[in-house]
Amino acid sequence: DTGVSQDPRHKITKRGQNVTFRCDPISEHNRLYWYRQTLGQGPEFLTYFQNEAQLEKSRLLSDRFSAERPKGSFSTLEIQRTEQGDSAMYLCASSPVEKASGMYEQYFGPGTRLTVT
Amino acid sequence: LAKTTQPISMDSYEGQEVNITCSHNNIATNDYITWYQQFPSQGPRFIIQGYKTKVTNEVASLFIPADRKSSTLSLPRVSLSDTAVYYCLVGDGAGRRALTFGSGTRLQVQP
Repeated sequence: DTGVSQDPRHKITKRGQNVTFRCDPISEHNRLYWYRQTLGQGPEFLTYFQNEAQLEKSRLLSDRFSAERPKGSFSTLEIQRTEQGDSAMYLCASSPVEKASGMYEQYFGPGTRLTVT
Repeated sequence: LAKTTQPISMDSYEGQEVNITCSHNNIATNDYITWYQQFPSQGPRFIIQGYKTKVTNEVASLFIPADRKSSTLSLPRVSLSDTAVYYCLVGDGAGRRALTFGSGTRLQVQP
Protein backbone atom coordinates (compact mmCIF):
# COMPACT_ATOMS: atom_id res chain seq x y z
CA ASP A 1 0.00 0.00 0.00
CA THR A 2 1.60 3.26 -1.07
CA GLY A 3 -0.97 5.62 0.46
CA VAL A 4 -0.66 7.88 3.48
CA SER A 5 -0.43 5.90 6.71
CA GLN A 6 -1.05 7.03 10.25
CA ASP A 7 -0.24 5.42 13.55
CA PRO A 8 -1.92 4.67 15.86
CA ARG A 9 -5.43 4.46 14.45
CA HIS A 10 -6.98 4.88 17.87
CA LYS A 11 -5.66 6.38 21.09
CA ILE A 12 -7.38 6.65 24.44
CA THR A 13 -5.62 8.73 27.05
CA LYS A 14 -6.35 10.40 30.33
CA ARG A 15 -6.55 14.13 30.65
CA GLY A 16 -3.16 15.65 31.31
CA GLN A 17 -1.17 12.98 29.49
CA ASN A 18 0.98 13.61 26.42
CA VAL A 19 0.30 11.83 23.15
CA THR A 20 2.20 11.59 19.88
CA PHE A 21 0.89 10.60 16.48
CA ARG A 22 2.87 9.64 13.42
CA CYS A 23 2.14 10.19 9.74
CA ASP A 24 3.99 8.62 6.82
CA PRO A 25 3.17 10.48 3.61
CA ILE A 26 3.30 9.14 0.10
CA SER A 27 6.94 8.97 -0.86
CA GLU A 28 8.11 11.84 -3.06
CA HIS A 29 5.31 14.08 -1.76
CA ASN A 30 7.09 17.09 -0.36
CA ARG A 31 4.03 18.66 1.25
CA LEU A 32 2.43 17.33 4.42
CA TYR A 33 -0.60 18.64 6.29
CA TRP A 34 -2.28 17.99 9.60
CA TYR A 35 -6.01 18.49 10.10
CA ARG A 36 -8.37 17.92 13.00
CA GLN A 37 -11.95 16.77 12.60
CA THR A 38 -14.67 16.66 15.21
CA LEU A 39 -17.95 14.83 14.87
CA GLY A 40 -20.25 16.32 12.25
CA GLN A 41 -17.74 18.89 11.06
CA GLY A 42 -15.35 19.06 8.17
CA PRO A 43 -11.61 18.79 8.75
CA GLU A 44 -9.90 21.91 10.14
CA PHE A 45 -6.38 22.80 9.12
CA LEU A 46 -3.71 22.68 11.82
CA THR A 47 -0.32 22.96 10.17
CA TYR A 48 1.59 22.43 6.93
CA PHE A 49 5.13 21.37 6.01
CA GLN A 50 7.03 21.71 2.81
CA ASN A 51 9.87 19.22 3.12
CA GLU A 52 11.16 19.72 6.68
CA ALA A 53 10.05 23.35 6.99
CA GLN A 54 6.85 24.12 8.88
CA LEU A 55 5.44 26.92 6.76
CA GLU A 56 2.04 27.58 8.24
CA LYS A 57 0.29 27.05 11.54
CA SER A 58 -3.36 27.59 12.32
CA ARG A 59 -4.49 29.57 15.33
CA LEU A 60 -6.11 26.30 16.38
CA LEU A 61 -2.63 24.99 17.12
CA SER A 62 -2.17 26.05 20.73
CA ASP A 63 1.13 25.97 22.59
CA ARG A 64 0.33 22.44 23.70
CA PHE A 65 0.55 21.22 20.11
CA SER A 66 3.80 20.72 18.26
CA ALA A 67 4.56 19.11 14.95
CA GLU A 68 7.79 18.06 13.35
CA ARG A 69 8.93 16.61 10.08
CA PRO A 70 12.59 15.71 10.43
CA LYS A 71 14.38 15.03 7.17
CA GLY A 72 11.24 15.90 5.26
CA SER A 73 9.81 12.40 5.44
CA PHE A 74 7.44 11.25 8.19
CA SER A 75 5.85 13.71 10.58
CA THR A 76 4.82 13.63 14.22
CA LEU A 77 2.13 15.60 16.00
CA GLU A 78 2.43 15.84 19.76
CA ILE A 79 -0.20 17.08 22.13
CA GLN A 80 0.97 17.90 25.64
CA ARG A 81 -1.28 17.97 28.71
CA THR A 82 -4.26 16.69 26.78
CA GLU A 83 -7.70 18.12 27.48
CA GLN A 84 -11.10 16.62 26.80
CA GLY A 85 -11.60 19.18 24.04
CA ASP A 86 -8.70 17.61 22.16
CA SER A 87 -10.82 14.53 21.47
CA ALA A 88 -11.11 14.37 17.69
CA MET A 89 -9.90 12.61 14.57
CA TYR A 90 -6.45 13.81 13.55
CA LEU A 91 -5.90 13.54 9.81
CA CYS A 92 -2.70 13.74 7.87
CA ALA A 93 -2.51 14.48 4.16
CA SER A 94 0.25 14.84 1.62
CA SER A 95 0.52 16.32 -1.81
CA PRO A 96 3.10 16.44 -4.60
CA VAL A 97 4.82 19.49 -5.94
CA GLU A 98 2.59 22.31 -7.03
CA LYS A 99 0.85 22.09 -10.35
CA ALA A 100 1.32 24.74 -12.98
CA SER A 101 -2.27 25.80 -12.41
CA GLY A 102 -5.11 24.92 -10.15
CA MET A 103 -5.15 23.30 -6.76
CA TYR A 104 -3.23 20.17 -6.12
CA GLU A 105 -4.99 17.10 -4.85
CA GLN A 106 -4.32 16.17 -1.24
CA TYR A 107 -4.15 12.51 -0.28
CA PHE A 108 -5.47 11.81 3.18
CA GLY A 109 -4.56 9.06 5.59
CA PRO A 110 -7.13 7.11 7.63
CA GLY A 111 -6.68 9.33 10.66
CA THR A 112 -5.94 8.80 14.33
CA ARG A 113 -8.96 8.95 16.60
CA LEU A 114 -8.05 10.45 19.96
CA THR A 115 -10.30 10.09 22.99
CA VAL A 116 -9.36 12.00 26.12
CA THR A 117 -11.09 10.76 29.25
CA LEU B 1 -10.92 32.84 1.75
CA ALA B 2 -14.09 32.20 -0.24
CA LYS B 3 -16.82 30.64 1.88
CA THR B 4 -18.98 27.87 0.50
CA THR B 5 -22.59 26.98 1.21
CA GLN B 6 -24.06 23.60 0.42
CA PRO B 7 -27.10 21.63 1.61
CA ILE B 8 -26.67 19.83 4.89
CA SER B 9 -28.14 16.58 3.61
CA MET B 10 -29.69 14.90 0.59
CA ASP B 11 -31.47 11.61 0.01
CA SER B 12 -31.55 9.56 -3.16
CA TYR B 13 -32.21 6.06 -4.46
CA GLU B 14 -29.93 3.66 -6.21
CA GLY B 15 -29.64 4.29 -9.92
CA GLN B 16 -30.63 7.94 -9.76
CA GLU B 17 -28.51 10.91 -10.72
CA VAL B 18 -27.62 13.15 -7.81
CA ASN B 19 -26.76 16.83 -8.14
CA ILE B 20 -25.24 18.68 -5.21
CA THR B 21 -25.01 22.43 -5.62
CA CYS B 22 -22.53 24.62 -3.82
CA SER B 23 -22.58 28.42 -3.72
CA HIS B 24 -19.39 30.46 -3.46
CA ASN B 25 -20.33 34.05 -4.11
CA ASN B 26 -16.94 35.46 -3.13
CA ILE B 27 -14.80 33.24 -5.33
CA ALA B 28 -11.60 34.91 -6.49
CA THR B 29 -10.29 34.99 -10.02
CA ASN B 30 -7.54 32.47 -9.38
CA ASP B 31 -9.62 30.09 -7.22
CA TYR B 32 -10.41 26.57 -8.35
CA ILE B 33 -13.39 24.50 -7.18
CA THR B 34 -12.72 21.07 -5.77
CA TRP B 35 -14.94 18.36 -4.36
CA TYR B 36 -13.96 15.73 -1.83
CA GLN B 37 -15.83 12.66 -0.59
CA GLN B 38 -15.55 11.24 2.90
CA PHE B 39 -16.77 7.93 4.27
CA PRO B 40 -17.12 7.36 8.04
CA SER B 41 -13.81 6.78 9.81
CA GLN B 42 -11.80 7.56 6.68
CA GLY B 43 -9.96 10.59 5.40
CA PRO B 44 -11.49 12.67 2.57
CA ARG B 45 -10.85 11.57 -0.99
CA PHE B 46 -10.50 13.84 -4.00
CA ILE B 47 -13.33 13.54 -6.53
CA ILE B 48 -13.00 16.30 -9.10
CA GLN B 49 -11.69 19.80 -9.69
CA GLY B 50 -12.55 22.55 -12.14
CA TYR B 51 -12.20 26.21 -12.94
CA LYS B 52 -15.04 26.93 -15.35
CA THR B 53 -17.61 25.27 -17.64
CA LYS B 54 -17.74 21.50 -17.31
CA VAL B 55 -15.31 18.87 -16.15
CA THR B 56 -15.96 15.14 -16.29
CA ASN B 57 -14.02 12.17 -15.00
CA GLU B 58 -14.80 8.53 -14.44
CA VAL B 59 -16.82 9.12 -11.29
CA ALA B 60 -18.47 12.54 -11.56
CA SER B 61 -19.10 15.72 -13.50
CA LEU B 62 -18.65 19.25 -12.30
CA PHE B 63 -20.70 22.08 -13.78
CA ILE B 64 -19.58 25.66 -13.27
CA PRO B 65 -21.58 28.58 -14.72
CA ALA B 66 -19.92 31.55 -16.32
CA ASP B 67 -20.08 33.73 -13.19
CA ARG B 68 -18.47 30.91 -11.13
CA LYS B 69 -20.54 31.85 -8.09
CA SER B 70 -21.83 28.32 -7.79
CA SER B 71 -20.99 24.82 -8.91
CA THR B 72 -22.84 21.53 -9.16
CA LEU B 73 -21.39 18.10 -8.54
CA SER B 74 -23.24 15.46 -10.53
CA LEU B 75 -23.03 11.80 -9.59
CA PRO B 76 -24.56 9.56 -12.26
CA ARG B 77 -26.50 6.47 -11.23
CA VAL B 78 -25.57 6.42 -7.57
CA SER B 79 -25.22 3.21 -5.61
CA LEU B 80 -25.37 2.46 -1.90
CA SER B 81 -21.61 2.85 -1.75
CA ASP B 82 -21.94 6.52 -2.68
CA THR B 83 -23.46 7.22 0.74
CA ALA B 84 -20.94 9.68 2.19
CA VAL B 85 -20.28 13.31 3.01
CA TYR B 86 -19.38 15.51 0.06
CA TYR B 87 -17.36 18.68 0.55
CA CYS B 88 -17.15 21.62 -1.83
CA LEU B 89 -13.93 23.62 -1.50
CA VAL B 90 -12.77 26.78 -3.16
CA GLY B 91 -9.03 27.08 -3.34
CA ASP B 92 -6.73 29.99 -2.84
CA GLY B 93 -4.62 29.12 -5.85
CA ALA B 94 -2.18 31.95 -5.28
CA GLY B 95 -1.25 31.45 -1.68
CA ARG B 96 -2.49 29.38 1.22
CA ARG B 97 -1.86 25.69 0.76
CA ALA B 98 -4.31 24.21 3.22
CA LEU B 99 -7.83 23.15 2.31
CA THR B 100 -10.77 24.87 3.98
CA PHE B 101 -13.64 22.47 4.53
CA GLY B 102 -17.19 23.42 5.40
CA SER B 103 -19.65 21.05 7.01
CA GLY B 104 -20.36 19.21 3.76
CA THR B 105 -23.46 17.52 2.36
CA ARG B 106 -24.46 14.16 3.77
CA LEU B 107 -25.77 12.03 0.92
CA GLN B 108 -27.83 9.01 1.88
CA VAL B 109 -28.56 6.54 -0.91
CA GLN B 110 -31.44 4.16 -0.31
CA PRO B 111 -31.99 0.82 -2.05
